[in-house]
Amino acid sequence: DTAVSQTPKYLVTQMGNDKSIKCEQNLGHDTMYWYKQDSKKFLKIMFSYNNKELIINETVPNRFSPKSPDKAHLNLHINSLELGDSAVYFCASSQDIRASGVGETQYFGPGTRLLVL
Amino acid sequence: EDQVTQSPEALRLQEGESSSLNCSYTVSGLRGLFWYRQDPGKGPEFLFTLYSAGEEKEKERLKATLTKKESFLHITAPKPEDSATYLCAVQARWSGNTGKLIFGQGTTLQVKP
Repeated sequence: DTAVSQTPKYLVTQMGNDKSIKCEQNLGHDTMYWYKQDSKKFLKIMFSYNNKELIINETVPNRFSPKSPDKAHLNLHINSLELGDSAVYFCASSQDIRASGVGETQYFGPGTRLLVL
Repeated sequence: EDQVTQSPEALRLQEGESSSLNCSYTVSGLRGLFWYRQDPGKGPEFLFTLYSAGEEKEKERLKATLTKKESFLHITAPKPEDSATYLCAVQARWSGNTGKLIFGQGTTLQVKP
């Protein structure tokens, strides 16, 4: 059973296009995240959602818009793709971050490798 | 500013040669420190969570320890299948309601047979 899944695994597209990445988790978690990993393998948080409510928008351009139709899904839509958007995007999930007084472990998906030409 | 620094950046070991990876952190109150393993082309795989200084956790050949300033990932008698990038991340107390993890740049471990 795949705990956190993402589609597609690879995405190659032209500059200026609009694309979406989908994420689903079957862990029963309440919180979901999007991270970006650059070419130097550095992971940085972009968004977090708790029970479909946006919690973090970490200085991400407005071209990136997350959407959570329910607490098991968090999708990422990117408008007007730029060369600098090329990276690996990871979805993650955890138990409800607002219900615990300690850091909740985040479980990551396999990643979506985006290449903008 | 909260930050995480991992050292060394790369480590080559012979099979069976034990060593340690370091994760130094500066954070205004620690809510949790996390170790992950990442294989090429895959997502980070959870290894350990540590919450307070003095805490230790073990799993097979790996042991993670935590002090107030750093964490170590000790690898005992490593095997080639332990080759991967090991990532350290912290969650600050002020970010408790956001879940924000601050990652280090990782240590890439290569274990030769």
